[in-house]
Amino acid sequence: DGGITQSPKYLFRKEGQNVTLSCEQNLNHDAMYWYRQDPGQGLRLIYYSQIVNDFQKGDIAEGYSVSREKKESFPLTVTSAQKNPTAFYLCASSPPGSRSNYGYTFGSGTRLTVV
Amino acid sequence: AQKVTQAQTEISVVEKEDVTLDCVYETRDTTYYLFWYKQPPSGELVFLIRRNSFDEQNEISGRYSWNFQKSTSSFNFTITASQVVDSAVYFCALSEAWGATNKLIFGTGTLLAVQP
Repeated sequence: DGGITQSPKYLFRKEGQNVTLSCEQNLNHDAMYWYRQDPGQGLRLIYYSQIVNDFQKGDIAEGYSVSREKKESFPLTVTSAQKNPTAFYLCASSPPGSRSNYGYTFGSGTRLTVV
Repeated sequence: AQKVTQAQTEISVVEKEDVTLDCVYETRDTTYYLFWYKQPPSGELVFLIRRNSFDEQNEISGRYSWNFQKSTSSFNFTITASQVVDSAVYFCALSEAWGATNKLIFGTGTLLAVQP
């Protein structure tokens, strides 16, 4: 079955460490997105990519970095510069244009905790 | 600026009650899309509906119905005869330019608790 796989499901990070969250999709979608979810704040866009080797900052990109070397993969690195990284991170993908009536397809998320 | 407001932070109902989740949006675009997603405790967001700005017809899907009113910039979601399995966080979202950036702007979500 096609879908988005995020790993790991839970991640613990020591202060000052960089960590990378994995996001892989086999839906052949061109666009991929990373959102951060905090209690009471909904989902906020970190980075998005419309095509391989290209990506754009979202609303809260500071302290994060991404790469898009393959269509299927869009890993997110949470750097030590991110002041408050503890959150739930969701990856999503979508086909271009209006080919789909189903909006984004989301992964099951990674819960990152700083210890 | 684009914005989605879900004023109800939490709603608690007893099974079989009807419940309406409110969503108010702001956008300057004439063409836009509105969405509802469900987030069960497992965390994954599940797509429920997409509605474009040119289609104000209400939609019904089983126990779910949606009321889109451009005059009040609202896109409310009603669950009829609620069930315990409906317990989740529900998000309303806005996309201003499908085919351009496809960015979704989410509201803060409404936590619905359906008690048996």
